[in-house]
Amino acid sequence: QKEVEQDPGPLSVPEGAIVSLNCTYSNSAFQYFMWYRQYSRKGPELLMYTYSSGNKEDGRFTAQVDKSSKYISLFIRDSQPSDSATYLCAMSYFQGAQKLVFGQGTRLTINP
Amino acid sequence: GAVVSQHPSWVICKSGTSVKIECRSLDFQATTMFWYRQFPKQSLMLMATSNEGSKATYEQGVEKDKFLINHASLTLSTLTVTSAHPEDSSFYICSARRRGGNQPQHFGDGTRLSIL
Repeated sequence: QKEVEQDPGPLSVPEGAIVSLNCTYSNSAFQYFMWYRQYSRKGPELLMYTYSSGNKEDGRFTAQVDKSSKYISLFIRDSQPSDSATYLCAMSYFQGAQKLVFGQGTRLTINP
Repeated sequence: GAVVSQHPSWVICKSGTSVKIECRSLDFQATTMFWYRQFPKQSLMLMATSNEGSKATYEQGVEKDKFLINHASLTLSTLTVTSAHPEDSSFYICSARRRGGNQPQHFGDGTRLSIL
């Protein structure tokens, strides 16, 4: 079993729809949770960074962490074609170098 | 704007040559930088953790003599792929974490390496 599970998709939705992306994890020692967006042939771009259970909102993006269920989500409101990308969840431990453990990434396409 | 700069973005070279990739943090000091490799349609695979002023820590299965890492300053880390062969062709990405606890990693735009 992988430490972090993420459905690779692909996921295709119409413009304006609410998108829900999620990851599950098995190790309760993870303390920090991130969502990155990666466009083709580019490096990942940090979207959200959280370290506690609950919701965090930034513009059209909302990150949700449920540590009791070992489940994190990213919601995108009013989705735009420019949101089409691969979305990677990542998490790290509190101690040490805080290396990231990534999900497989979900390929998202927003159709005009 | 970008906070981590990676150069070059794309390099093509002959088998047997060595290639150096630079990773710079633009407006912060990075005590720790990371080097990843990414194959098409796959997630990032951590190769090594680079600490300023000390030897890099390599992940299991990564040849340290093949992938030389130097973190000479708080804003620069380099990855040198020595005697590159076609199987080394890949997308290499670096990231940097700001000094201080509990900071996220910021990524460069990657280097596409093609070995002929």
